[in-house]
Amino acid sequence: EAGVAQSPRYKIIEKRQSVAFWCNPISGHATLYWYQQILGQGPKLLIQFQNNGVVDDSQLPKDRFSAERLKGVDSTLKIQPAKLEDSAVYLCASREVQGTQYFGPGTRLTVL
Amino acid sequence: SQQGEEDPQALSIQEGENATMNCSYKTSINNLQWYRQNSGRGLVHLILIRSNEREKHSGRLRVTLDTSKKSSSLLITASRAADTASYFCATAARYGKLTFGQGTILTVHP
Repeated sequence: EAGVAQSPRYKIIEKRQSVAFWCNPISGHATLYWYQQILGQGPKLLIQFQNNGVVDDSQLPKDRFSAERLKGVDSTLKIQPAKLEDSAVYLCASREVQGTQYFGPGTRLTVL
Repeated sequence: SQQGEEDPQALSIQEGENATMNCSYKTSINNLQWYRQNSGRGLVHLILIRSNEREKHSGRLRVTLDTSKKSSSLLITASRAADTASYFCATAARYGKLTFGQGTILTVHP
């Protein structure tokens, strides 16, 4: 069974630029999550989708971050404009209706 | 905000020794999970313990949960160099939302 796919694996941008990350969850997994993991800390949930609807986006900085999950499969997370403090690893995870979460390898973002 | 707090922040042991990591949390949970993260990689799920369970085993892993003290521990027996990684506890509330702790960095010396 293929795992959660993410791209790109690494991204370096200047502050105030825009960036987008892509996630392809495990086939059949209805729930998809985006996490932000700052160096030395645990992952923090940004947004949770159930199919193509948002369940929880309470910790998503909506003035600069946006996410969508069209057709309830792939998802994209966008940052516009990026700030220095957005430097982190962005992790995507998916799970079935009930069960454990499976994480992708993450995208390491560096904002200069 | 981070709910779980792991202790210790870092642990260094020799191969063959046991490693114990602790996790404390603040609010009621449905279950508690432990994950491993190798440097620069994604998180790997290790074990899940439900709020009505007290102990669970999986291979060399043993997890305990004390809901009265809002704490959990992860024991890795007979550690190997390949166990070197960061270990995170995560508490699960409704809708499966996970709240992670800061993690324990485990180093196992060959």
